[in-house]
This record gives sequence, structure tokens and C-alpha cells, in this order.
Amino acid sequence: DVKVTQSSRYLVKRTGEKVFLECVQDMDHENMFWYRQDPGLGLRLIYFSYDVKMKEKGDIPEGYSVSREKKERFSLILESASTNQTSMYLCASSWRWGTGHYEQYFGPGTRLTVT
Amino acid sequence: DQQVKQNSPSLSVQEGRISILNCDYTNSMFDYFLWYKKYPAEGPTFLISISSIKDKNEDGRFTVFLNKSAKHLSLHIVPSQPGDSAVYFCAASPYSGGGADGLTFGKGTHLIIQP
Repeated sequence: DVKVTQSSRYLVKRTGEKVFLECVQDMDHENMFWYRQDPGLGLRLIYFSYDVKMKEKGDIPEGYSVSREKKERFSLILESASTNQTSMYLCASSWRWGTGHYEQYFGPGTRLTVT
Repeated sequence: DQQVKQNSPSLSVQEGRISILNCDYTNSMFDYFLWYKKYPAEGPTFLISISSIKDKNEDGRFTVFLNKSAKHLSLHIVPSQPGDSAVYFCAASPYSGGGADGLTFGKGTHLIIQP
């Protein structure tokens, strides 16, 4: 079974704090993704990575950065948290393009509240 | 501009009957489509997918139909069970290989199965 784990289920941070969200997958997937889910907006892609040290911006990268130093780990960083970043953050991973397996597997999510 | 649309925010179906969830897309480059199921406070779980070279894919109680000319897909669940109550997300990708890009998600449909 594919397992994607996220470091925290619930997190409360203050405005202006630097926030790290960690994600680890155990399936040796090349691709990893960060999404946020908000009511009425569905899931929106923040950043993704297709290899170690590689990163690509998604649809809403502003206010976020990412780090991928090891294949199994993908971190999302909020440089200076703001209240509009209060959301559910979801990490996902998938095999690389061309393997015949295209679905993404999601972690349980981190509910972040910024006060 | 929303590229993947789920126009029904919620759907109520009696247990044992058929549930039909609909999804429309606007981007002609999409050629791989997926359905995910999400319970509250959990990450989305992959259900079923379909490539644009097919018009139907079946997996147990779940069948996905794709009408490329209408840019429309639907998920049929037969028979519906109480455990099917969840939010269902339609997602699309512009590469038949899934690619390293993130998926584009609809806003979701909350399916409620009535006993």
C-alpha cells in the first residue's frame, strides 16, 4: 500500500511566523505535490516536484516555497504566515510520467490555522 | 476560469439506487480523468480513472463514462451504499501519461446516501 504521511494533522500558528509542513512517501515516487483545499474552491495546486531539488510552481504559489532534498520528502514552507493561508494542506505523490500509473496518492492533510 | 466544473455541490440518493455524479471540462488538452473520494479530515482517495482513448471504465460498483465531444464525464455508483457518503472530486490532466504536472480539480460534489 502506498503511504503518504504528513508531519502534523492540526497546526496553529501566529501571523508572521515561518511554518514548515513536512510530507514523506514510502513508494519511491518521483513526483510530489502540495495542494490546499478550501470550502467551495476544491483542491488547488501550490507547487510540485518531479525530482530531487527540482520544483515547479502550480496555480497558487504566492506566499509559499518548497524544498525537496531527498526523494521521499517534500516540504512546504510559509515564509511569513498570514490569516489567508488558513486552510487544509494536502500532500500527494505519484510515479513519473510514462510508467502507466498516473494516479496521485494523498496524505491525510494538515489543518493549518493562522491567528 | 474554472477548467473542471462540478455543477452540483450536493446530491442525495437513496441507498440501493444509482448515484450519478457529473463533471464538465473546458480544456481540450485534458486527456486523462480521475475521480477521488474524500471523507472529512482525511486526504482524497483515488477511485477510478479513464484515458481519452476509452469511453468507459468499470471497477466493481464504480463506472466512469467519458464523452469527449461533449467534454463531459460521469461517475456511476451502483448500488449506492451508506459508506459512499463523501465528497467526490473530478480531476483532469493534460497528459495521457499523467505527467509530472498536478491535477486540475473540480470543486467537488457532496454525495449523501439516505437509508
